Amino acid sequence: GQQVMQIPQYQHVQEGEDFTTYCNSSTTLSNIQWYKQRPGGHPVFLIQLVKSGEVKKQKRLTFQFGEAKKNSSLHITATQTTDVGTYFCAGPGAGSYQLTFGKGTKLSVIP
Amino acid sequence: NAGVTQTPKFQVLKTGQSMTLQCAQDMNHEYMSWYRQDPGMGLRLIHYSVGAGITDQGEVPNGYNVSRSTTEDFPLRLLSAAPSQTSVYFCASTPNRGGDIQYFGAGTRLSVL
Repeated sequence: GQQVMQIPQYQHVQEGEDFTTYCNSSTTLSNIQWYKQRPGGHPVFLIQLVKSGEVKKQKRLTFQFGEAKKNSSLHITATQTTDVGTYFCAGPGAGSYQLTFGKGTKLSVIP
Repeated sequence: NAGVTQTPKFQVLKTGQSMTLQCAQDMNHEYMSWYRQDPGMGLRLIHYSVGAGITDQGEVPNGYNVSRSTTEDFPLRLLSAAPSQTSVYFCASTPNRGGDIQYFGAGTRLSVL
């Protein structure tokens, strides 16, 4: 079945440093979504990318969808303590109506 | 709109007990799902429903039952709780097909002793 892999599993950064998490799917994705889960909270939708090579920005967050639509990345510039949490990527396989989640990258920010 | 509401927020069970986790949404979404989240395992799909009266299994369905009698409600039943079912359970809904944006409830934290 479809697999979605994320690296790294954990990342500790000093406040102000940049952070990147990478997502790779074993199959082509019709779209990719990113979610953020704060400690003790539930996943919250951040963004959806649909087009090959698409890049979207939300303030300090930059999301990219690969040309082959099998990989994606989330980059945070100048991390803040409010960025703490686990970031998940998720995507349906081509023709699939189910969403497969990566295992997430847990970000810790040291003040 | 309340969105997706899950009850209870916390539950402790003894091995062999049964219980139902409730999930309700007021967004008139057709597609609803149940996930479990375990440390280091991400979110794994248990069961899903594409509309009232229609359910199907996800990645980890064993030990769980679901039904969908109305668009709003999608309860998850644990038939005979086992320690391996200790987890955080999230219900989610989406307005369109299952591969679209998911709206999650706050979760139920379940411990099975």
